[in-house]
Amino acid sequence: AQSVSQHNHHVILSEAASLELGCNYSYGGTVNLFWYVQYPGQHLQLLLKYFSGDPLVKGIKGFEAEFIKSKFSFNLRKPSVQWSDTAEYFCAVNAWGSARQLTFGSGTQLTVLP
Amino acid sequence: DTAVSQTPKYLVTQMGNDKSIKCEQNLGHDTMYWYKQDSKKFLKIMFSYNNKELIINETVPNRFSPKSPDKAHLNLHINSLELGDSAVYFCASSPGDGNTIYFGEGSWLTVV
Repeated sequence: AQSVSQHNHHVILSEAASLELGCNYSYGGTVNLFWYVQYPGQHLQLLLKYFSGDPLVKGIKGFEAEFIKSKFSFNLRKPSVQWSDTAEYFCAVNAWGSARQLTFGSGTQLTVLP
Repeated sequence: DTAVSQTPKYLVTQMGNDKSIKCEQNLGHDTMYWYKQDSKKFLKIMFSYNNKELIINETVPNRFSPKSPDKAHLNLHINSLELGDSAVYFCASSPGDGNTIYFGEGSWLTVV
């Protein structure tokens, strides 16, 4: 079975700082990778996804993520964060042949100080 | 129009009661899910249905019973509610295996 690790539980940044959130997964086969964001009191929204092709994926709101297969990683980045980026960020993995199960990491709370 | 809608959004109830949460998706997706998010924000899949057929049933107490009358609906019924059932329950749907999952807005259940 696949698993997902997000090592940063809480990240605090000032506005305009650069962001990188770590995500590592364990699964030996082909995977689809996702980052979801959950703003306070709201549902999960898709930020970006990787299925195949260019390992550098661009998503909404200036976010991007890079799939590094050799490191089993899919880190999320943003060059300059804003106060409105304060939210919980979830990395998720769907392993091919996993009976349609999307496995989430434990989430990273990002707080951006104005 | 809301793609995945679930009701109620907030539910406060006493221990021992039975309650249901309804979910509907208008995306034409074949697969629907229920996820539970606990107080530490950890998201865990509970059930998955594909075309009204149960395909994933994680280790969930049998007090939880999903019902899918058609592929656009997946309701969650909970019997004999316990304090530990307090959580946010998210309904979701996807076009199929490996595809993007679209979430509903969540149902905040508080058992007192």
